[in-house]
Amino acid sequence: DIVMTQTPLSSPVTLGQPASISCRSSQGLVHSDGNTYLSWLQQRPGQPPRLLIYKISNRFSGVPDRFSGSGAGTDFTLKVSRVEAEDVGVYYCMQATQFPYTFGQGTKLEIK
Amino acid sequence: QVQLQESGPGLVRPSETLSLTCVVSGGSISSYYWNWIRQPAGKGLEWIGRIYSSGSTNYNPSLKSRVTMSVDTSKNQFSLKLNSVTAADTAVYYCARFGYDILTGYTTLDYWGQGTLVSVSS
Repeated sequence: DIVMTQTPLSSPVTLGQPASISCRSSQGLVHSDGNTYLSWLQQRPGQPPRLLIYKISNRFSGVPDRFSGSGAGTDFTLKVSRVEAEDVGVYYCMQATQFPYTFGQGTKLEIK
Repeated sequence: QVQLQESGPGLVRPSETLSLTCVVSGGSISSYYWNWIRQPAGKGLEWIGRIYSSGSTNYNPSLKSRVTMSVDTSKNQFSLKLNSVTAADTAVYYCARFGYDILTGYTTLDYWGQGTLVSVSS
């Protein structure tokens, strides 16, 4: 299985300040179709996961443009340009390049 | 907007079979991959497997011997069966769609259900 490792596991951030979460995969994530199926999900307290970013850097419908994704190979990053109160929750990276799909352990974003 | 809703018993006895159904509304079940994911309380996400609308499946090897998925296109729903359950199978179970964009192709798990808590206990 591909292991997804996120850092940090906890990120206290001041409102209005940027936040960054890293995700490293144990193997490259380029699929045989040429795409890299690395996505980022947000899970607010008591809610199901919500898709933010797919294929490294594509924002899903309705996701604010303060969220951005980047990376290549085995190293990927989610950035929040200016953290808002509604961004509190746990963020997961996920790979869907190889079976079984796997998730990072989650990064808890909280307000200082 | 596509919506998914899980349903099934909230309590299952050890060694018995967990059965859940996910009803899809706001869109067709056809031509998509449909997934099950679970999350034990306070823990991370585990992908259980997926089924295409035609019925072809892929399962997580860690659960493959106990999992069966099926799809009913006439009812726009798909189902999960997990047999020989133990307390370790206690979790919130989510269903989710693997999306497809006409311009960029397959995307990822884009629409999720609210989840249903299944407890395994005698």
